[in-house]
Amino acid sequence: DQQVKQNSPSLSVQEGRISILNCDYTNSMFDYFLWYKKYPAEGPTFLISISSIKDKNEDGRFTVFLNKSAKHLSLHIVPSQPGDSAVYFCAARRAGGTSYGKLTFGQGTILTVHP
Amino acid sequence: DADVTQTPRNRITKTGKRIMLECSQTKGHDRMYWYRQDPGLGLRLIYYSFDVKDINKGEISDGYSVSRQAQAKFSLSLESAIPNQTALYFCATSASTDTQYFGPGTRLTVL
Repeated sequence: DQQVKQNSPSLSVQEGRISILNCDYTNSMFDYFLWYKKYPAEGPTFLISISSIKDKNEDGRFTVFLNKSAKHLSLHIVPSQPGDSAVYFCAARRAGGTSYGKLTFGQGTILTVHP
Repeated sequence: DADVTQTPRNRITKTGKRIMLECSQTKGHDRMYWYRQDPGLGLRLIYYSFDVKDINKGEISDGYSVSRQAQAKFSLSLESAIPNQTALYFCATSASTDTQYFGPGTRLTVL
């Protein structure tokens, strides 16, 4: 049962344009969401996060939007740069209970930004 | 120096062999995790430890065991490796429930 889903395996964008990566979740107990970026031969690195009490969080070129009613979040990268080409993972943390602190990851989306 | 290190970085082994993957961290975090990454499946949690005396199974713990030797060290063992354990393995650490920090990964191939 995939509780966090990234339905687009890949995305190709022109340099300077907007990249939008999407993530859907099914568990309403998730209270915190994160995006990680992964380059080849490296481990995932934290990019940006959002709490379930917010609907938007912005950090430079990166903005994450959360729609709780739709159980959907998205990562916007504006403007996209070739160095943004990587695999992006969405992750969710469940509030409370014995699962507290554990992250559930999506399948990942490969972003390619063309010069 | 890297905050989270994993050894080895690459390993090729044969079916039935015992394999140990090691993880060390200098971040001073109490929590450590082991994940595996497979194409199309993302990162799946194998085991996690919230402190030295606390070990918990993740979603795919069958065929694996772990040892938390110290706050800074968390090792993953495959007692009898099988081909479907071929994957990229990541160790991660976190402080309480904050962001997790990942090591560079170990690419394991079981023939």
